Amino acid sequence: EPEVTQTPSHQVTQMGQEVILRCVPISNHLYFYWYRQILGQKVEFLVSFYNNEISEKSEIFDDQFSVERPDGSNFTLKIRSTKLEDSAMYFCASSPGTRSQPQHFGDGTRLSIL
Amino acid sequence: RKEVEQDPGPFNVPEGATVAFNCTYSNSASQSFFWYRQDCRKEPKLLMSVYSSGNEDGRFTAQLNRASQYISLLIRDSKLSDSATYLCVVTGGSNYQLIWGAGTKLIIKP
Repeated sequence: EPEVTQTPSHQVTQMGQEVILRCVPISNHLYFYWYRQILGQKVEFLVSFYNNEISEKSEIFDDQFSVERPDGSNFTLKIRSTKLEDSAMYFCASSPGTRSQPQHFGDGTRLSIL
Repeated sequence: RKEVEQDPGPFNVPEGATVAFNCTYSNSASQSFFWYRQDCRKEPKLLMSVYSSGNEDGRFTAQLNRASQYISLLIRDSKLSDSATYLCVVTGGSNYQLIWGAGTKLIIKP
């Protein structure tokens, strides 16, 4: 069964540094998403991406964050000038369409900011 | 009122029993509904979509009540492997984002 893959599985970074989290969505999917989950808390939507542009973003997704699809397969989340509170699991998801079509999640990247 | 609300549990249930969870949502414009399960420190995995007419997948039955704005999940003949956190997910007002409940923790005991 095709799956969403994320790398790295764990990223440890000094506060203030930039990180790039990578995702390879399922190949025939058109919609891509990033979510985060702070330890012990619920999953939170960050951003959705379609047709090479952001479709929607949450209040969390401020100027510190950016997303990119640099080639036909990768979908990246960049976090500039990381803060301690950015420590969380970051999940990438993709779906073939929107509305009733469920999203499929990658294993996640655990980001630890020191 | 929270956008998606769930009883956090934990629900401690003996193996073989039937257990049910409810989830309420605040946005009457929500179009799509899902149950995901999440094991500790793992990614959410789709359990089932929830359709207006209700739907069943093996031991799992999901129902939607639009009038009262809740969805439910029933698990019959529960197994030890059903132990997980069950996440209620609804679409927001837009097409794209999912609004997540905080989850209900289920523990199945032998």
